[in-house]
Amino acid sequence: GESVGLHLPTLSVQEGDNSIINCAYSNSASDYFIWYKQESGKGPQFIIDIRSNMDKRQGQRVTVLLNKTVKHLSLQIAATQPGDSAVYFCAENKIQPNSGGGADGLTFGKGTHLIIQP
Amino acid sequence: DSGVTQTPKHLITATGQRVTLRCSPRSGDLSVYWYQQSLDQGLQFLIQYYNGEERAKGNILERFSAQQFPDLHSELNLSSLELGDSALYFCASSVGGVLTGELFFGEGSRLTVL
Repeated sequence: GESVGLHLPTLSVQEGDNSIINCAYSNSASDYFIWYKQESGKGPQFIIDIRSNMDKRQGQRVTVLLNKTVKHLSLQIAATQPGDSAVYFCAENKIQPNSGGGADGLTFGKGTHLIIQP
Repeated sequence: DSGVTQTPKHLITATGQRVTLRCSPRSGDLSVYWYQQSLDQGLQFLIQYYNGEERAKGNILERFSAQQFPDLHSELNLSSLELGDSALYFCASSVGGVLTGELFFGEGSRLTVL
């Protein structure tokens, strides 16, 4: 099964409120995590990343929190705007089978659809 | 615009056929990644090339193959197509491996197998 997964497939928030999107991972060996945003009809777009030696990282209106104890990752979006409506994916780097030792394939969760209510 | 170009944007074909999807990475990026996105499976990593060499392999079927050419563009070949191969196929690129920076995704090639 998926080693990276999201708790809720859909999240609906009021415009202006803060959004929190959660993600669980199972590979304790992963040392790099990324959040991507995918708008309808487009490819995923990088939002923010965090390495396993950190527990928090902030960007513009976004914060990623990493709790390695419970293998949990979250993305917080402040003052959610209509343009934030998209599917959000968390991803982890993971050693891929048959990779010859390569570790560069990211494993994505299935995504959370963030819906902004006016 | 991510700088990654994928062609074709849409492709409709029949079962048993073979198609080739093409990707031009961002200028200067050495790594190319292929992902398959379907409604029920999300984004699945298929394969990665770095500077012409295969670097990592994910859930890529034996009917699928890829290569990266000296000019760093990449092609994903899908053969003996089945209905279940209908999906969005994304190419992404990065300067080095994923641990050295973000992946830049193209807008995808939508494959429909009838």
